[in-house]
Amino acid sequence: GAGVSQSPSNKVTEKGKDVELRCDPISGHTALYWYRQRLGQGLEFLIYFQGNSAPDKSGLPSDRFSAERTGESVSTLTIQRTQQEDSAVYLCASSLGQGRQTQYFGPGTRLLVL
Amino acid sequence: GQQLNQSPQSMFIQEGEDVSMNCTSSSIFNTWLWYKQDPGEGPVLLIALYKAGELTSNGRLTAQFGITRKDSFLNISASIPSDVGIYFCAGLGNSGGSNYKLTFGKGTLLTVNP
Repeated sequence: GAGVSQSPSNKVTEKGKDVELRCDPISGHTALYWYRQRLGQGLEFLIYFQGNSAPDKSGLPSDRFSAERTGESVSTLTIQRTQQEDSAVYLCASSLGQGRQTQYFGPGTRLLVL
Repeated sequence: GQQLNQSPQSMFIQEGEDVSMNCTSSSIFNTWLWYKQDPGEGPVLLIALYKAGELTSNGRLTAQFGITRKDSFLNISASIPSDVGIYFCAGLGNSGGSNYKLTFGKGTLLTVNP
């Protein structure tokens, strides 16, 4: 069966440009998460979507970061006016629900801001 | 944001040796998880622990949820070359926190020499 997919796999951009990262969760999963993984670090929580509830945006590092989700499907993470410190792997995960439900991760998008 | 203290940072071992890694936290978690991440991939769940003192095995992997709920360890017995990768601990549902926001350690890079 299809797992979580993310696109693009890699993105190189210039400082100041906007980027959009896409996540396709596992079909039927109501919960969707975005994490950021800097080089040599663990994953940092960014944002959480659960069904039609208001998302938990508490992990977004600045107002240049935003994310949307259409119903219980695709999500996009947008970074405006990218900075070099935004360079990282952005990972998306989905789960059947919250709490003890296993979060299944996508392969990530490797973002490099020059 | 909060991170778990994971050690060691890296390990170089010979095939067939046993491995042990651990995580500690200053706050209590209700669930401890261990993930493995291969290059270019997202983390994959290895073991989930839901109860203080719980000892759980998954093949050659054994993990324990510390009795204080502030620590966990992962053991890998009789290592093989495909055990190579980065191992992450993660906590869920800490006091005052959510039951969906994973908090990760910085990872243990395991290298197995055949």
